[in-house]
Order: sequence, then structure tokens, then C-alpha cells
Amino acid sequence: GAGVSQSPRYKVAKRGQDVALRCDPISGHVSLFWYQQALGQGPEFLTYFQNEAQLDKSGLPSDRFFAERPEGSVSTLKIQRTQQEDSAVYLCASSLRTGTYEQYFGPGTRLTVT
Amino acid sequence: RKEVEQDPGPFNVPEGATVAFNCTYSNSASQSFFWYRQDCRKEPKLLMSVYSSGNEDGRFTAQLNRASQYISLLIRDSKLSDSATYLCVVNILSAIGGGGSNYKLTFGKGTLLTVNP
Repeated sequence: GAGVSQSPRYKVAKRGQDVALRCDPISGHVSLFWYQQALGQGPEFLTYFQNEAQLDKSGLPSDRFFAERPEGSVSTLKIQRTQQEDSAVYLCASSLRTGTYEQYFGPGTRLTVT
Repeated sequence: RKEVEQDPGPFNVPEGATVAFNCTYSNSASQSFFWYRQDCRKEPKLLMSVYSSGNEDGRFTAQLNRASQYISLLIRDSKLSDSATYLCVVNILSAIGGGGSNYKLTFGKGTLLTVNP
């Protein structure tokens, strides 16, 4: 069956450019999460959606980061005025419901800011 | 202090060896516990949940000690295909705005395992 998909898989941006990363969760999954994984580190939580509601954005590192999920399915993570420290893999995960249900991860988008 | 700390590794072991990973967590509000596996340039995948009574899945055994806030993973008879990074993961219930709460996965840094022929 279809898992979580993300696009693009790779993105190179010049410093100062805006980027948009897309996540297609597993159909019917209520919860959607974004994580940032720097090289040699574990994933770090960025933000969480329950359907279309963004219930937790405590992990977003600055106001340059913005996420949305307007219809409760596809989500977009936007980074404005990218900086070199934004270079990382951005992982999206979805789970059937809230709580301790297993999260299924997408393959990630590897962002390189030059 | 990081919320989830793991052995820094890397571990290099021969095929057939037994290898143990250790992890500690600092937040006593942690609700549930997992080991994830991440292959190079791939996404993390759930390996197994960890229960207080300890649990086993084939060659893999996970243990949890809530009193000492310690989690372990044991791999017996290691195979070449076990080579990966093993991530200790804690699910923490945290308060969010509006009186709600959210279960949030917190990952350790990961420990790289290489099994050699």
C-alpha cells in the first residue's frame, strides 16, 4: 500500500531563497508531524497537525518556518529566507490517530542551502 | 542535558555477535518507548516498542526500567543486515496551547552499528 510520500526528495537552495516541502500522508491518517534531522543527529520535532489544525508548533526554530495542512491531508512546510543552518533532512510522519500510535515516516527531503 | 541519551558508538561487531544498546531519558512524564532503526539515507522505521515487562521479537530483546529511566536493546546472533543506526525514542505527553496535549516523539542521537563478515 502507499506510504508517506514527500517531494522533492532533494532541494538545493541559495541562501535567502524560499522553499516549500510537500508531504502526502497515508490516506486516512489524522495526525501529521514534521521533523528536522541534521547530519549525525536524531530527528527533532518541528510541528504537529491533527487534521487541519496545527496543535503544536513549539519545535519550529524561527518565524521563517511555517507549516500548513489546509484540508487535513497534504501538508506543506515552508522555509523563508533560507540560511545555511537550515540544511538538513526534513521528515514527515503520519499516524492513524493521536496518542501513542505508530508514526510512519516518509523518505524525507534533503535540503542543502548554499 | 538532552532528553534522550544513547551510547555514542559506533559499534563494529562480527557476524554472530551479541550487541547491546543503552539509553536513558530524563523526562519522567514519558509515556511510551520505542527503538527505531534507520538505514543510511533512509527514513526511521519502528523496530519494536518497549514494555516494562520486557519484550522479545526473535533475536531482539528490549527492556525498560522506569525507576532508573533506562531502556536497552539487545541483538543476538547479529546479521550483516542488522547494520544500521538504532534510535532510542521516547513518547512524551506535553501540554500545548488551549489546554490540549500532544504526544511528541523525542529521539536520541542514534548509535551506528556495523556488522562485519
